[in-house]
Amino acid sequence: AQKVTQAQTEISVVEKEDVTLDCVYETRDTTYYLFWYKQPPSGELVFLIRRNSFDEQNEISGRYSWNFQKSTSSFNFTITASQVVDSAVYFCALRESAGGTSYGKLTFGQGTILTVHP
Amino acid sequence: DSGVTQTPKHLITATGQRVTLRCSPRSGDLSVYWYQQSLDQGLQFLIQYYNGEERAKGNILERFSAQQFPDLHSELNLSSLELGDSALYFCASSVATGPTYEQYFGPGTRLTVT
Repeated sequence: AQKVTQAQTEISVVEKEDVTLDCVYETRDTTYYLFWYKQPPSGELVFLIRRNSFDEQNEISGRYSWNFQKSTSSFNFTITASQVVDSAVYFCALRESAGGTSYGKLTFGQGTILTVHP
Repeated sequence: DSGVTQTPKHLITATGQRVTLRCSPRSGDLSVYWYQQSLDQGLQFLIQYYNGEERAKGNILERFSAQQFPDLHSELNLSSLELGDSALYFCASSVATGPTYEQYFGPGTRLTVT
């Protein structure tokens, strides 16, 4: 069965610090998709990125970057020069490509609460 | 704003009651997903519909049911409510049902069972 582990329950940093959120996943599928979502205090879930299992290129989007390492089954998320507005709960999620009854579902990690202090 | 709407935003009801949560997907999206977020279980997939048909089922209780209507909006029905059903219920939508399509989430309905 697929599983996503975010070992860091809570992280607290001071503004302008860099912070990395860890995500480790388990799947038997050879093709799968990894996602990061942000849940700000207002409660909605905001899509940040999707990564395919066959594409191990790291990605950078502004202050956000993602490091996908298939060898260690990790998909870590780094925020550079953090800001107070980055305070939120961040979820890593996995979606398998196989059909069957699990088709389509996202399996989420438990989330990491990030607090950025001014 | 993801374009996915959910009503109501908050719902307070008593144990044993029945409620209906409503979701309107983004324009053009055919697939709808329901998730439950609770403190003890985290974010869990409940059920998926695509163009009116059920496509996948997760940890959905028998007391819960859902459907997707011809206009593509979806409803999640929760009956014989228990205290443990208190949670944030999210609806998400995607263009199609394949795994490569991002799921865009609505703002959620916060259900409190007293």
